[in-house]
Amino acid sequence: DAMVIQNPRYQVTQFGKPVTLSCSQTLNHNVMYWYQQKSSQAPKLLFHYYDKDFNNEADTPDNFQSRRPNTSFCFLDIRSPGLGDAAMYLCATSRGEGGYYEQYFGPGTRLTVT
Amino acid sequence: GQNIDQPTEMTATEGAIVQINCTYQTSGFNGLFWYQQHAGEAPTFLSYNVLDGLEEKGRFSSFLSRSKGYSYLLLKELQMKDSASYLCAVLDSNYQLIWGAGTKLIIKP
Repeated sequence: DAMVIQNPRYQVTQFGKPVTLSCSQTLNHNVMYWYQQKSSQAPKLLFHYYDKDFNNEADTPDNFQSRRPNTSFCFLDIRSPGLGDAAMYLCATSRGEGGYYEQYFGPGTRLTVT
Repeated sequence: GQNIDQPTEMTATEGAIVQINCTYQTSGFNGLFWYQQHAGEAPTFLSYNVLDGLEEKGRFSSFLSRSKGYSYLLLKELQMKDSASYLCAVLDSNYQLIWGAGTKLIIKP
């Protein structure tokens, strides 16, 4: 089945220790998104790629970086995680950018910062 | 600023009908989505409305009034598995998706 896969599902890291979350997709979608979602809050868009074009949201902290080496994979790097970065991180894909394109979400990675 | 308002939590009984409302103020409008999100899981797509009126899809229906900045999601014949959060999201004039915080729906037997 075509899908969006995130690894790991649960990640524990120490305060200040860099961590990388990964996302892969078999849908061959052009657009990939990273969201941060805290409990009972709306998903917050961090950045998205249209193919290799990177789009950073204005309020995304510099502590968050992303890489998309090819169509299928996208990584979220948190350079120095703080306690406030503990959240669910959701990867999503869509066929296109602009207009109506349903977003398909991966299962998420729940990040704990100790 | 851009704003999506939904009730924080609602409770309903198994077998009943529930309506979850969403009001929005956004810079432009290119459609409204409803997503379902079970606890600890990713959101899944339910519906998309861009024209006024009611769209029916099985037990779920979604309504839109653009002039009022208003939508609702109607769930019929509620089942225990419908216990989840329901997220309203609007595509603004820049085709950016603006998300509401979600409505937690609790179904009681």
